[in-house]
Amino acid sequence: AQSVTQLGSHVSVSEGALVLLRCNYSSSVPPYLFWYVQYPNQGLQLLLKYTTGATLVKGINGFEAEFKKSETSFHLTKPSAHMSDAAEYFCAVSNFGNEKLTFGTGTRLTIIP
Amino acid sequence: DSGVTQTPKHLITATGQRVTLRCSPRSGDLSVYWYQQSLDQGLQFLIQYYNGEERAKGNILERFSAQQFPDLHSELNLSSLELGDSALYFCASSPTGGRSPLHFGNGTRLTVT
Repeated sequence: AQSVTQLGSHVSVSEGALVLLRCNYSSSVPPYLFWYVQYPNQGLQLLLKYTTGATLVKGINGFEAEFKKSETSFHLTKPSAHMSDAAEYFCAVSNFGNEKLTFGTGTRLTIIP
Repeated sequence: DSGVTQTPKHLITATGQRVTLRCSPRSGDLSVYWYQQSLDQGLQFLIQYYNGEERAKGNILERFSAQQFPDLHSELNLSSLELGDSALYFCASSPTGGRSPLHFGNGTRLTVT
């Protein structure tokens, strides 16, 4: 079985500050990992994904995430927060041979001016 | 724009009724997924179809059913509706399976009164 835990349902950071959203996963086989963002009244949009290869993954809008197998983590970071980053962020995991995505409970990011 | 179209955007109905939600996947995508998003349950995977065939089943109630048609559009049927079925229902599509990133529609907001 696969699962995802997102630590912190709400995170607030000041504009220009570092954004760090935490995600830990559980998987019995090498996982595929994803971060999605959801803006109000919209569907989810893919930010970035990890499948195999380089463990540091760069995504859209300046976000990146690092796959750490030893820590079973896939935390999302952005060096400098922008007001437009305010949204809900979801971490998701998929296993080889299991085609559905399992999502975490989401982290709502608020940017303080 | 993800290319995934969901109709209607909003649906208000009474308990005990039946509704049909419709999804048109991105051009070329063979796989369609349905997810339910509610405040208490988060994003829950309901069901996946691939090229007209059911591929995976998640936490889908027996009152709910889905199908994918030869033109690849999909419908989610919800019957004997209860207040607790009020949620956002998302459709997502991908070229093949879940290891490919999912592209989400903007959802159908169902309100059961």
